[in-house]
Amino acid sequence: DIQLTQSPSSLSASVGDRVTISCRATENIIKYLNWFQQKPGKAPNLLIYTTSNLQSGVPPRFSGSGSGTDFTLTISGLQPEDFATYYCQQGYTTPQTFGQGTEVEVK
Amino acid sequence: EVQLVESGGGLVQPGGSLRLSCAASGFTFSRSWMTWVRQAPGKGLELVANINEDGSGKYYVGSVRGRFTISRDNARNSLYLQMDSLGAEDTAIYYCARDFSTGALDHWGPGTLVTVSS
Repeated sequence: DIQLTQSPSSLSASVGDRVTISCRATENIIKYLNWFQQKPGKAPNLLIYTTSNLQSGVPPRFSGSGSGTDFTLTISGLQPEDFATYYCQQGYTTPQTFGQGTEVEVK
Repeated sequence: EVQLVESGGGLVQPGGSLRLSCAASGFTFSRSWMTWVRQAPGKGLELVANINEDGSGKYYVGSVRGRFTISRDNARNSLYLQMDSLGAEDTAIYYCARDFSTGALDHWGPGTLVTVSS
């Protein structure tokens, strides 16, 4: 199975900060990388699909980039509602594995 | 409006079985890949199984292969997960989700809790 490693596992940030989360795959997954946000007690929410496509209704401060094995989620101008856990997921091959998550906390 | 609602969770003894259901509405169910994802308490997300549009293709994570069976009934707009030989490691919230494009799970149910304990 393809393994995804996110870094960092957690980070502390302030409102207005630019936040970057990395996701590295053990194999080439071309561009098939998705990002989810999850808040406590809630189901995950799709933010970005296929590396850089913003899901409908997601604010444009969220963006994604990368290809092959290295991908990045960027939040430009962190908002109070963005404090949450973020997961990457590869859709290249089954089983479609997730990264271990990155918790974004209040500094 | 797309809605997914899971049911069938609960407390089960080790070695027991449980069948989860997911009722879908608001979209053409028969044209969508569907997925079960689970989350153990305080842990991350794990894709358990997914199934293609007509049920002819089914995929499982290694830890459940041979114990869990995913299925669907397109006439009833329903997704199922039959779970056998349950162990403590299967304790988790189980979510059903729609896959609209190569693993992009765009709609999720609220989840149903499965607890395996004696």
